[in-house]
Amino acid sequence: EPEVTQTPSHQVTQMGQEVILRCVPISNHLYFYWYRQILGQKVEFLVSFYNNEISEKSEIFDDQFSVERPDGSNFTLKIRSTKLEDSAMYFCASSPGWVFSQEPYEQYFGPGTRLTVT
Amino acid sequence: DAKTTQPNSMESNEEEPVHLPCNHSTISGTDYIHWYRQLPSQGPEYVIHGLTSNVNNRMASLAIAEDRKSSTLILHRATLRDAAVYYCQPLNFGNEKLTFGTGTRLTIIP
Repeated sequence: EPEVTQTPSHQVTQMGQEVILRCVPISNHLYFYWYRQILGQKVEFLVSFYNNEISEKSEIFDDQFSVERPDGSNFTLKIRSTKLEDSAMYFCASSPGWVFSQEPYEQYFGPGTRLTVT
Repeated sequence: DAKTTQPNSMESNEEEPVHLPCNHSTISGTDYIHWYRQLPSQGPEYVIHGLTSNVNNRMASLAIAEDRKSSTLILHRATLRDAAVYYCQPLNFGNEKLTFGTGTRLTIIP
């Protein structure tokens, strides 16, 4: 069964450094998402992406964050200057159609990248 | 989202039914309700979704209140593999930010 993959599984970085988290969505999916989960807390939406544009973003997704689909398979989340509070598990997800369609599509999540900022 | 609430935790005996509630008091008439679960050390996985009437699939059933301000995920016969955090996700068409509820940690007692 096709699945979303994410690399690396664990990333350790120093405060102020840039990190890029990578995701390979399911191949025929058109919509892509990033979420984060701080340890012990609920899953929080960051951004949705379609047709090479951001569809929606949360208040968390400030100017330090950016997303890109550099080629036909990868979807990346970049944090320009990491802060201690960026330490979290980051999940990528994809869906074949828009979640908010009249008949909504489910999202398929990857296993996550644990980001530790020291 | 402060308007989508779930109990922090629930316990159930193995092979018993489990009813997991979610309150989504600000839902509108066109907002679907999705449920996901997160097994230990994994990403969330889709369980079920519905709009008005009750829904069944191979994993679970979803009962939606008549006023749609709450829903209940039903696992008919819980197994140890159902131990997870269960999230409801009302899809707010006016605010397409895909907010998860607070989540219920389900513990299954053998």
